[in-house]
Amino acid sequence: SQQGEEDPQALSIQEGENATMNCSYKTSINNLQWYRQNSGRGLVHLILIRSNEREKHSGRLRVTLDTSKKSSSLLITASRAADTASYFCASYTGGFKTIFGAGTRLFVKA
Amino acid sequence: DAGVTQSPTHLIKTRGQQVTLRCSPKSGHDTVSWYQQALGQGPQFIFQYYEEEERQRGNFPDRFSGHQFPNYSSELNVNALLLGDSALYLCASSLATSDNEQFFGPGTRLTVL
Repeated sequence: SQQGEEDPQALSIQEGENATMNCSYKTSINNLQWYRQNSGRGLVHLILIRSNEREKHSGRLRVTLDTSKKSSSLLITASRAADTASYFCASYTGGFKTIFGAGTRLFVKA
Repeated sequence: DAGVTQSPTHLIKTRGQQVTLRCSPKSGHDTVSWYQQALGQGPQFIFQYYEEEERQRGNFPDRFSGHQFPNYSSELNVNALLLGDSALYLCASSLATSDNEQFFGPGTRLTVL
């Protein structure tokens, strides 16, 4: 079974709005990574947050990590039509294996 | 600086056949992982190669095997193909010392008829 679960499964917003996606995982992690995937193509690495970090920023992206709740969130501010994609969280437990969730499908309407 | 490359882009096979997929890692990376992604699902970890050895494996049968070459490139082999093997196969490379921060190739779309 997959380690991570994203919520919501799908999200539709207007351009300029913020998008928030949540991820939960089951066991202790070394780090958690977020990826974007456009139309069934390869995944693009967005951001990595380590287990001893609580928040990280990269451009319009903000990621938080709550290890006590085993959860993370990805916030995309001022969304654009080009942000339309599937977003995955992936947890790394240190055993050379990264476990992905099922993803959140984001649709940004122009 | 070349990113991760995969070949072929698309492949159509019939049940029972064998297939080989190829991956070249990002320049400077020494570790290659393979994933299977079914339609509408997240990637599922198949295995990881480092120093030409398989060092971790996911929940996949022995029909799935791999190899890593001295130049760090890698192959994924699948024998006795089943309809359920139809998926996008993704290769990811990383540096062994890098917290497993992975960079993905564009994938190979395998269709089994």
